[in-house]
Amino acid sequence: ETGVTQSPTHLIKTRGQQVTLRCSSQSGHNTVSWYQQALGQGPQFIFQYYREEENGRGNFPPRFSGLQFPNYSSELNVNALELDDSALYLCASSLQGADTQYFGPGTRLTVL
Amino acid sequence: DQQVKQNSPSLSVQEGRISILNCDYTNSMFDYFLWYKKYPAEGPTFLISISSIKDKNEDGRFTVFLNKSAKHLSLHIVPSQPGDSAVYFCAASAGYGGSQGNLIFGKGTKLSVKP
Repeated sequence: ETGVTQSPTHLIKTRGQQVTLRCSSQSGHNTVSWYQQALGQGPQFIFQYYREEENGRGNFPPRFSGLQFPNYSSELNVNALELDDSALYLCASSLQGADTQYFGPGTRLTVL
Repeated sequence: DQQVKQNSPSLSVQEGRISILNCDYTNSMFDYFLWYKKYPAEGPTFLISISSIKDKNEDGRFTVFLNKSAKHLSLHIVPSQPGDSAVYFCAASAGYGGSQGNLIFGKGTKLSVKP
């Protein structure tokens, strides 16, 4: 059984640019959630996707957007990058109705 | 306003002894709680969970206790092993179990288990 995978591992962007991060769900999982983890903090919920639709959103501006594909993989897009967007971005997959979210290794984004 | 608080940033324990990690929450709507362990350069790994209808859940060396009246939960690791050294996150969910909706995380406690 393949776990949650994310790409790329690391990314460096400059302020104002746009970025796309990718996530492949664990086999059989139909729900994907994205989290932002700033240094010294716990992960913060960005949004969740189920059946290709946004299924809940945290306190993040609209320049954070996402997609889920029919194979349940997902993308996180961030427009107009700001310095404070520098963080570890974590993807978690789960089966709708089950009890646990399983995390990928994350993408470390640095905005200069 | 932190809804899930882990007030100890770090904890050091001798190998073989008990590790107790604490977590407090403020939102009485939380009804499902999870503990994750995180090694550097890896994503959080699910460890153990508990529903608010229970006050204890055990899995091998790991036991989670929930005190709803005090809005407090704790993770006990017995016996502690050097491989347990990691950052431990407490997370809570309201109304949807652990897979749906928003998981609210604490800031984590770094556990160091010394040989």
